[in-house]
Amino acid sequence: EVRLFESGGRLIQPGGSLRLSCAASGFTFRDYAMSWVRQAPGKGLEWVSTLGAVVGETLYADSVKGRFTISRDSSKTILYLQMDGLRVEDTAVYYCAKDQTYEPEFDVWGQGTLVTVSA
Amino acid sequence: SYELTQPPSVSVSPGQTARITCSGDALPKKYAYWYQQKSGQAPVMVIYEDSKRPSAIPERISGSSSGTMATLTISGAQVEDEADYYCCSTDSSGDHWMFGGGTKLTVL
Repeated sequence: EVRLFESGGRLIQPGGSLRLSCAASGFTFRDYAMSWVRQAPGKGLEWVSTLGAVVGETLYADSVKGRFTISRDSSKTILYLQMDGLRVEDTAVYYCAKDQTYEPEFDVWGQGTLVTVSA
Repeated sequence: SYELTQPPSVSVSPGQTARITCSGDALPKKYAYWYQQKSGQAPVMVIYEDSKRPSAIPERISGSSSGTMATLTISGAQVEDEADYYCCSTDSSGDHWMFGGGTKLTVL
């Protein structure tokens, strides 16, 4: 069974840093692009970042570019999202998602982890 | 910046057909993907590449795309189809991905 499990979310002050993790199992992790998608409380889905499978190409939403970094450890089958310079508007549930192709074809999602940025 | 536009809400009676639209200038060249999110749950992909349906998704859910508009159709909508639906695609460069604002489907 393909599974994704996010962790690392917590309450943090504005300007702080946080690293989210997404543990993957049930598929050949290194063969697939992986993405982060977030959802602010009561709001819609927002794509955050994608990491390609082959050459490790990265894409970022303008709202996080320069502050967030996506990466993976294929030996541990873990996807990461390093978040620096956090802002109140980054408060959201962060989902990791498996990409079936290097397109927004998110065929498997985790359950999400909540990041709250507040003083 | 590029945007995908959806109606905020659609309401139908059980057994009727629900249609949810998504408009975007790049849709003639880029695929649309559709996600269903029920209250308190993670999203689930219901349509990929405009009109393809994952094996676990019921046949009453279908997708189409023409010009700058993609459409999600739920034929014979059921109460269990009540959810928020989001379209997703990319801009013409493929470097910026985005979701539409979401459509709340009510079946009652």
